[in-house]
Amino acid sequence: KAGVTQTPRYLIKTRGQQVTLSCSPISGHRSVSWYQQTPGQGLQFLFEYFSETQRNKGNFPGRFSGRQFSNSRSEMNVSTLELGDSALYLCASSRTGAHTEAFFGQGTRLTVV
Amino acid sequence: EDKVVQSPLSLVVHEGDTVTLNCSYEVTNFRSLLWYKQEKKAPTFLFMLTSSGIEKKSGRLSSILDKKELSSILNITATQTGDSAIYLCAPKSSGDKLTFGTGTRLAVRP
Repeated sequence: KAGVTQTPRYLIKTRGQQVTLSCSPISGHRSVSWYQQTPGQGLQFLFEYFSETQRNKGNFPGRFSGRQFSNSRSEMNVSTLELGDSALYLCASSRTGAHTEAFFGQGTRLTVV
Repeated sequence: EDKVVQSPLSLVVHEGDTVTLNCSYEVTNFRSLLWYKQEKKAPTFLFMLTSSGIEKKSGRLSSILDKKELSSILNITATQTGDSAIYLCAPKSSGDKLTFGTGTRLAVRP
């Protein structure tokens, strides 16, 4: 069974540009969550999608957005990149429910220069 | 605001030692608590705890949840160098949202 797949694995962008990251969940998983991980802040919740609807949102500016498609694949977009957006972006998929595990992809390492 | 505190922040032990990692949480709509191990990139799933007092075990690792105290512990016995990693706990709240602590960085020396 394939795991959670994130693409691309590495990305270098310039300040002011925008970027789109992709996440394909485990087959049968309909919930996809996104997290930002930085050395100073640890893993922070960005947002969660279920059945193409954003179900939860963290405390990030509106430059961070996402969407989910009918096949449960999800994308997140960051516009007007800032140096501080450099981070590892992780997505997690789960079947959804109080008592279900969440599994992470390998992440996308974004560097903004 | 949801909050998770893990202690200690870091720990250095020798192979064969036993360690106990702590996690305290305050979240609204608590549903379950998950433990992860992170070495290089992706956190890998260890345990999901839903009921107080029921220990989950996997080899040398075990974990238990105390809902009354809003806490959980992760025990690792007979530590090995391969156990060196950051251990993260994350309560699940509304939907499938996970709130992470800063983690405990464990270093196991040969």
